Amino acid sequence: DTGVSQDPRHKITKRGQNVTFRCDPISEHNRLYWYRQTLGQGPEFLTYFQNEAQLEKSRLLSDRFSAERPKGSFSTLEIQRTEQGDSAMYLCASSPLGDSYEQYFGPGTRLTVT
Amino acid sequence: AQKITQTQPGMFVQEKEAVTLDCTYDTSDQSYGLFWYKQPSSGEMIFLIYQGSYDEQNATEGRYSLNFQKARKSANLVISASQLGDSAMYFCAMREPGMGQFYFGTGTSLTVIP
Repeated sequence: DTGVSQDPRHKITKRGQNVTFRCDPISEHNRLYWYRQTLGQGPEFLTYFQNEAQLEKSRLLSDRFSAERPKGSFSTLEIQRTEQGDSAMYLCASSPLGDSYEQYFGPGTRLTVT
Repeated sequence: AQKITQTQPGMFVQEKEAVTLDCTYDTSDQSYGLFWYKQPSSGEMIFLIYQGSYDEQNATEGRYSLNFQKARKSANLVISASQLGDSAMYFCAMREPGMGQFYFGTGTSLTVIP
């Protein structure tokens, strides 16, 4: 297994359009996370899955954002009616169960909303 | 309140010297995990080191060590014998028990000078 992968790596979209990103975690990892990172900031938590269940969602997350992990494997993050403020790097991470395990991050999807 | 505070936006260190990157955290839990990640300009997040709150000894991983002072709620990263490839952003993160998300600090940009 080569690690966490994300697709696409870059996305440019016009304001108001919908976008969807995909994350493929490390195959044996039960937990999957989505983060958003803007320039000069640390990753900001968006949501978290354990297997197919979405267990946590940031209170900061707008209703325009939705995430799924239908079979407990890959996950998608959709942003509807994009705004310029959504421009950021979207990071996906996965980890095994257990609080002492680090998260393994993917390369990220850089979104630019024009 | 900020869960993780990194007060050094930027640091410089001479090649082959040691450097300490500061991190303080805020939690009322007795059990938690502390992590450090490196993010080079290419963007990927690379796990460096982990410290559990009940670990009696400071964690070490090669040239990285974590100076854990529980009473002060600090978890400083020490990089010994700095190399040019250490130039990157460094993020401190914390996970509280039973919580999926990691809380990240704002990061410290480290530049190693030849």
